[in-house]
Amino acid sequence: EAQVTQNPRYLITVTGKKLTVTCSQNMNHEYMSWYRQDPGLGLRQIYYSMNVEVTDKGDVPEGYKVSRKEKRNFPLILESPSPNQTSLYFCASTRERRPGPYGYTFGSGTRLTVV
Amino acid sequence: DQQVKQNSPSLSVQEGRISILNCDYTNSMFDYFLWYKKYPAEGPTFLISISSIKDKNEDGRFTVFLNKSAKHLSLHIVPSQPGDSAVYFCAASVSGNNRKLIWGLGTSLAVNP
Repeated sequence: EAQVTQNPRYLITVTGKKLTVTCSQNMNHEYMSWYRQDPGLGLRQIYYSMNVEVTDKGDVPEGYKVSRKEKRNFPLILESPSPNQTSLYFCASTRERRPGPYGYTFGSGTRLTVV
Repeated sequence: DQQVKQNSPSLSVQEGRISILNCDYTNSMFDYFLWYKKYPAEGPTFLISISSIKDKNEDGRFTVFLNKSAKHLSLHIVPSQPGDSAVYFCAASVSGNNRKLIWGLGTSLAVNP
């Protein structure tokens, strides 16, 4: 089954403790992206990657890192999480040069709480 | 400043009737508009898209209409089914190398049996 897999689904952590949210896709997509979803703010892009070893900042990159060493994996790294990073995170991928007409395939989300 | 606006946070319709979800945008540079459906505890699922050079696209029960002069698009679901109950997001694609989507805040649709 074609899918984007994120882990973990739920995570509660403490301020300052480094964590990684994994994302893997099995569709050989070149383009991958991370979004966070917050009430009243919608989905905002954190980072994106157009191919292996090619990453760039989205709209809200502060406090996050990413890497793209393999085509299928695009982990999101929080070196020193803070409470304002409490959010719902989505990983997405697409084969297309543009999101339309086929859109992105999204993972099921990671609910992160930083206390 | 929200470039993509869904002004109705919620909508309730009867099963079998038409559901109309609306979306307004401000940026004339958007090249594609997309609709996603989201169930609780799942990621958004792509539904249908429309190019900015078209005014209508249809896929089964789902039709999207684009009115460029009014910077308005709408998603019509006919007939509505209880399984359509979900949050619907309108998103717009920005021309350029970053295949970023600009998202609306969503409209929660409830289809009542």
